[in-house]
Amino acid sequence: TQLLEQSPQFLSIQEGENLTVYCNSSSVFSSLQWYRQEPGEGPVLLVTVVTGGEVKKLKRLTFQFGDARKDSSLHITAAQPGDTGLYLCAGAGTYKYIFGTGTRLKVLA
Amino acid sequence: SAVISQKPSRDICQRGTSLTIQCQVDSQVTMMFWYRQQPGQSLTLIATANQGSEATYESGFVIDKFPISRPNLTFSTLTVSNMSPEDSSIYLCGGTSVSGNTIYFGEGSWLTVV
Repeated sequence: TQLLEQSPQFLSIQEGENLTVYCNSSSVFSSLQWYRQEPGEGPVLLVTVVTGGEVKKLKRLTFQFGDARKDSSLHITAAQPGDTGLYLCAGAGTYKYIFGTGTRLKVLA
Repeated sequence: SAVISQKPSRDICQRGTSLTIQCQVDSQVTMMFWYRQQPGQSLTLIATANQGSEATYESGFVIDKFPISRPNLTFSTLTVSNMSPEDSSIYLCGGTSVSGNTIYFGEGSWLTVV
């Protein structure tokens, strides 16, 4: 069974702080996605990483895919209240997508 | 990105009844999936909707409880049968792009069973 563990599970920080969310598995994925979900909405895609070692930047967000394609990280620089939400990683396995356990982030003004 | 729409967006249902959720995707979608997200939790895959054939269910989910249809490439339905309060969840339809690298979601269907 493919599992994706995210850490931390919850995170509450002050505006302006930096943070990193981790997504780990013992399985290899052909690609990995990160989503943010806000209350009352479906998950919104942030990024897809495909190549081992790949780094992608989206404004203040930096995503990295592990060399072995088993893990990933999301780093947010100078967090803002608008970054508040549930962050989910998802791995593309064999004919299906497995979601991580989720990280709930709250950024306080 | 793919465009995915679901309906109903919300519903309050009586215990013991059944509800069918519809999912319409645009032509860029190849595979379709149904997920459940219980309050405060991540997404759990219910099944892969296969065009013109029976869906592929994940462990813990059965066709009698969650019958799924996909009569064509761009439309699928999920029925939640004989509902109980434990079925109160967000049900999400997901579709993958042609490249298969990414899954996109609609807004989800929020079900409350009373």
